Amino acid sequence: EAQVTQNPRYLITVTGKKLTVTCSQNMNHEYMSWYRQDPGLGLRQIYYSMNVEVTDKGDVPEGYKVSRKEKRNFPLILESPSPNQTSLYFCASRDTNTDTQYFGPGTRLTVL
Amino acid sequence: GESVGLHLPTLSVQEGDNSIINCAYSNSASDYFIWYKQESGKGPQFIIDIRSNMDKRQGQRVTVLLNKTVKHLSLQIAATQPGDSAVYFCAENIRGNTPLVFGKGTRLSVIA
Repeated sequence: EAQVTQNPRYLITVTGKKLTVTCSQNMNHEYMSWYRQDPGLGLRQIYYSMNVEVTDKGDVPEGYKVSRKEKRNFPLILESPSPNQTSLYFCASRDTNTDTQYFGPGTRLTVL
Repeated sequence: GESVGLHLPTLSVQEGDNSIINCAYSNSASDYFIWYKQESGKGPQFIIDIRSNMDKRQGQRVTVLLNKTVKHLSLQIAATQPGDSAVYFCAENIRGNTPLVFGKGTRLSVIA
């Protein structure tokens, strides 16, 4: 089954404690993205990657890092989380032949 | 800057009626448009898409209409069912590797 998986699904942490949210896709897509979703602001892109070792900033990259060492994985790293990074995060993978984008189930992060 | 927006933040319809969700876009260079459905606790799910060389596309119970003259996109759901209750997002991009730009979403509530 074609899917995008994220872990963890829920995380409560404290300010300054580094964390990583993993994302994996099994569709051999080159293009992957991270979004955050906040009430009233919709989906905003954090970072995207057009291929292995190629990453670019999205609309709201501050406070985040990503890496793309292999095609299937695209982890999101928060080196020093702050309360304003409390949000719902979605990883997505895109078929660049059809432009269809597939989203993961989401990770709800709370930073205290 | 260029943005995707929605006319109505909430929409309530009777079960069995048709629903119409509207979206305005402002980037005249956009040539690909998508509608997503997001149920509570889940990631956005692809519903239907349309390219700028078309003005109408039909799926199962859903139709997307594109009016490039006024930069307007709509999603029509026929015979709305309780399972259609969700938040619906439109998104746009320029074909290729440019990021998708999402609207803020419309919540559809189906009244049984």
